[in-house]
Amino acid sequence: DSGVTQTPKHLITATGQRVTLRCSPRSGDLSVYWYQQSLDQGLQFLIQYYNGEERAKGNILERFSAQQFPDLHSELNLSSLELGDSALYFCASSVTGGRTDTQYFGPGTRLTVL
Amino acid sequence: DAKTTQPNSMESNEEEPVHLPCNHSTISGTDYIHWYRQLPSQGPEYVIHGLTSNVNNRMASLAIAEDRKSSTLILHRATLRDAAVYYCILRDYDKVIFGPGTSLSVIP
Repeated sequence: DSGVTQTPKHLITATGQRVTLRCSPRSGDLSVYWYQQSLDQGLQFLIQYYNGEERAKGNILERFSAQQFPDLHSELNLSSLELGDSALYFCASSVTGGRTDTQYFGPGTRLTVL
Repeated sequence: DAKTTQPNSMESNEEEPVHLPCNHSTISGTDYIHWYRQLPSQGPEYVIHGLTSNVNNRMASLAIAEDRKSSTLILHRATLRDAAVYYCILRDYDKVIFGPGTSLSVIP
């Protein structure tokens, strides 16, 4: 158990819909990362937050958005969903968000878009 | 943009050493090289990281080429619990780039 929690574990929805994925970081970690894992694209970095502020942006689509709240939990919002958005979404956390930090990954949320 | 390439799969006998290669010919001077592994049905977990010098920890060793265009993760004695997908990753302040991963099978 990494100490990072993600909810829900599974999510099934239809094209065009909007969903919210939630992540609680390890106690004491200030930085949160979001990743997408799909069969064709592998693991892709989406976005990173540090203490409530966006720090780095990866391959995040404009239909996706995220935020980190004052209690440090984070949410990833996916809208206008397409079949290709079906994937495993991981959240990770680290202490400072620096490039040498160890990231601790949650168990993931499996999103299925029908 | 920098990228990494890794063999799709490798096999090792139990209790033998394993060398997992990674090429990152477009690495920038400030990129750190990280390795994570992903066990079935789990999120990735940290293995090791380095910048220029070789690194050792209780899990593995990391050998980095002098020109930094390649690196090798070394598991000194593979166990059945080491069967996983191993990812080579480049990290800088504003990026995290995962390689495609190498699926390691360990034969008893």
